Amino acid sequence: SQKIEQNSEALNIQEGKTATLTCNYTNYSPAYLQWYRQDPGRGPVFLLLIRENEKEKRKERLKVTFDTTLKQSLFHITASQPADSATYLCALDMGASKIIFGSGTRLSIRP
Amino acid sequence: EAGVVQSPRYKIIEKKQPVAFWCNPISGHNTLYWYLQNLGQGPELLIRYENEEAVDDSQLPKDRFSAERLKGVDSTLKIQPAELGDSAVYLCASSLSGENIQYFGAGTRLSVL
Repeated sequence: SQKIEQNSEALNIQEGKTATLTCNYTNYSPAYLQWYRQDPGRGPVFLLLIRENEKEKRKERLKVTFDTTLKQSLFHITASQPADSATYLCALDMGASKIIFGSGTRLSIRP
Repeated sequence: EAGVVQSPRYKIIEKKQPVAFWCNPISGHNTLYWYLQNLGQGPELLIRYENEEAVDDSQLPKDRFSAERLKGVDSTLKIQPAELGDSAVYLCASSLSGENIQYFGAGTRLSVL
């Protein structure tokens, strides 16, 4: 079955630095890969979607890459701010409206 | 526009008691999902509806869990009887049919004592 690994349970970085989160998966590559943000006591919120034929996608301070050879996606937040502190979930889009979530990385940005 | 609405936000029950969760999806969203999320884990799909039809319920423990989506709008997820291991957050999400992006409610946090 498809497995997803997100690099670490928690990541702590200094404000202003770039946060880089990793998502690795096994078996076959999905057509799409999504990233969601989840704050405590809230449901996940969609951030970005990247297709298998796209190398990179950007949205404001966010950047996602998708390497189907390495079976890996990287999620970057540049010029990080304390308000970026949250759990970030990688999700493999398996098609037919089905997605599989990773366990998430809890990001903390210290002032 | 209102997002996905879930109620209650919190529920505490004794084991072996029944419990029900309610979800109102975003207007016009034909696809509705129920997920279970344990602490420190990502959401895990329990059931997916296309309109009123359950098209994927392979991960739903059918001995104690049931769900319905009458009229293809609101949905209810029920557990009867609840067990200690059912303590988790139950999330509802919705999307447009064929769309990849899912919109989540705030969830119901269930504690079984």
